[in-house]
Amino acid sequence: QSVLTQSPSESGTPGQRVTISCSGGSSNIGRNSVSWYQQVPGTAPKVVMYGKNQRPSGVPDRFSGSKSGSSASLAISGLQSEDEADYYCAAWDDSLKAHVFGAGTKVTVL
Amino acid sequence: EVQLVQSGAEVKKPGESLKISCKGSGYVFTNYWIGWVRQMPGKGLDWMGIIFPGDSESRYGPSFQGQVTMSVDRSNAYLQWSSLKASDTATYYCARRRRETGTTNWYFDLWGRGTLVTVSS
Repeated sequence: QSVLTQSPSESGTPGQRVTISCSGGSSNIGRNSVSWYQQVPGTAPKVVMYGKNQRPSGVPDRFSGSKSGSSASLAISGLQSEDEADYYCAAWDDSLKAHVFGAGTKVTVL
Repeated sequence: EVQLVQSGAEVKKPGESLKISCKGSGYVFTNYWIGWVRQMPGKGLDWMGIIFPGDSESRYGPSFQGQVTMSVDRSNAYLQWSSLKASDTATYYCARRRRETGTTNWYFDLWGRGTLVTVSS
């Protein structure tokens, strides 16, 4: 059972907008920033969002992040086939004194 | 090139010991925390712990305390088991932990390609 809760799957057609949600609590998302990782099957995770809507160099601006209270979301607009992957949210948990990951959301491009 | 290079795949028997490595290059290795993340077959990411190469300070995830040992030297981080179990079969990633400038926002910005550990009799 993950500390952070994500929906198991989301899907969309090319060009659509998909939103992935991540729900936590007062000791993690409620107090600390969230980061998001994209993992294409068979490859290592890659950070696509961190802090307050910060995108690493090379990540398209189609990716955006937001946080409200103890929940966060990652939106992908203008969905493309290369966006098909698993996406994980993560945050530091002050009570556990540990980083915690969500269970992941599989994004499928139809 | 800034990168983390992990050691190759391992096949071990239950009860055997193992030490895998993660070599940092292209940056000052001792300035950044290194984290370890487990991914069991077909499953999600599990945070195992972090270690700071500058002084070897470490923090373990609750599920991994006492199960594995992290260590470092000047350019390598290591993850070690004294007695492997079949349930340790997984891919293990090392990742550089970075703090966003001017904040306390931490994230993992650089990942190794992973080391697949298979434990089977």
